Amino acid sequence: DTGVSQNPRHKITKRGQNVTFRCDPISEHNRLYWYRQTLGQGPEFLTYFQNEAQLEKSRLLSDRFSAERPKGSFSTLEIQRTEQGDSAMYLCASSLYWAGVGNTEAFFGQGTRLTVV
Amino acid sequence: AQSVTQLGSHVSVSEGALVLLRCNYSSSVPPYLFWYVQYPNQGLQLLLKYTTGATLVKGINGFEAEFKKSETSFHLTKPSAHMSDAAEYFCAVNLQIGGQGGKLIFGQGTELSVKP
Repeated sequence: DTGVSQNPRHKITKRGQNVTFRCDPISEHNRLYWYRQTLGQGPEFLTYFQNEAQLEKSRLLSDRFSAERPKGSFSTLEIQRTEQGDSAMYLCASSLYWAGVGNTEAFFGQGTRLTVV
Repeated sequence: AQSVTQLGSHVSVSEGALVLLRCNYSSSVPPYLFWYVQYPNQGLQLLLKYTTGATLVKGINGFEAEFKKSETSFHLTKPSAHMSDAAEYFCAVNLQIGGQGGKLIFGQGTELSVKP
């Protein structure tokens, strides 16, 4: 297993366009997280899935953002009508969760850097 | 509200000197605590974690951290800095409320510079 994989690594888009990012977690991990990291800041939680169910969404996740994990494996994060303020690194992480035990630590991908011009 | 505060956005040390990166947390429940390192344009790599048990935890690359509940701190140390330690370091807390919590709350990060 090569770890958490994110594509693309870099994306430049014009304001108003839609973009979609993909995350492939570690294969046996049932939890998948999305974070956003702006320059000089720590990552901020956006949302997470357990298998295909989206269990929590942050208030940071506006209506223009949507995330899916249709088969409980890879996930996509779509941003509609991008704004300059969406420029950030989008990080994906995965972990293994056992009921009654809890989570393993989260393993992060290398991120997708989005620039909105 | 739960939060993580990293004291000092930038720390500079000489090669071979002690590294001390400070982290304080606020949590109403027993926390799980983590330190991650991030190199430029890369994702985050786990250095070490505290869950339960021994309060002094050792991680990769010679780093260690001590959980002090009375001080709500989880400072990261390394006895002797190496040039390759230059990176951004993030402290994070994972709230295990009812065993369901899985998200991390991160501090703002501390950039470590190592001078030759």
